[in-house]
Amino acid sequence: NAGVTQTPKFRVLKTGQSMTLLCAQDMNHEYMYWYRQDPGMGLRLIHYSVGEGTTAKGEVPDGYNVSRLKKQNFLLGLESAAPSQTSVYFCASRRTSGGYSYNEQFFGPGTRLTVL
Amino acid sequence: DQQVKQNSPSLSVQEGRISILNCDYTNSMFDYFLWYKKYPAEGPTFLISISSIKDKNEDGRFTVFLNKSAKHLSLHIVPSQPGDSAVYFCATSQGGSEKLVFGKGTKLTVNP
Repeated sequence: NAGVTQTPKFRVLKTGQSMTLLCAQDMNHEYMYWYRQDPGMGLRLIHYSVGEGTTAKGEVPDGYNVSRLKKQNFLLGLESAAPSQTSVYFCASRRTSGGYSYNEQFFGPGTRLTVL
Repeated sequence: DQQVKQNSPSLSVQEGRISILNCDYTNSMFDYFLWYKKYPAEGPTFLISISSIKDKNEDGRFTVFLNKSAKHLSLHIVPSQPGDSAVYFCATSQGGSEKLVFGKGTKLTVNP
């Protein structure tokens, strides 16, 4: 099992450019998440999905869109990148049953995005 | 307003000694608590968890303590090893919610 994978690992954009970050998981997890991590800010939830075809806003959704067309994939899009979106982006997934341990989220390795 | 606070941005301990990382939360409805460990350039990895029906959970060198009345969570690492040097995040959820709320993290450095 590869777990949670993220593509690309690094990316540099110019202000106004668009891009899509891809997250894939092979654990058949229902829930998937996108976080951003900034220095001194911890992990902040951008958007999440509780199943194929569903999405919901997290704590910091502005400037981002997401799609969950397939259960194993969760895409994060930036339509018009801004320097404030320079960050490290993490995808995570979790299952939905099995006692309290289902709260555990499994994280990908991250995508480091710089917007100039 | 932060619901989960890790008031120490960093902690330095000697190898072999105990490391104690602390976390405070504000919402008494939180009922499941987790600790994640993160190395540079990697994603966070799950370390240990505890539900609100317990006050202690132990896994090898790692023990998590929960004080519900004080809304306080702590992670003890005994003995500390240089490989434990990482950023530690506490996280919590409420009633099986699909979301976790994370603290800002504490950077632990274990000196040889």
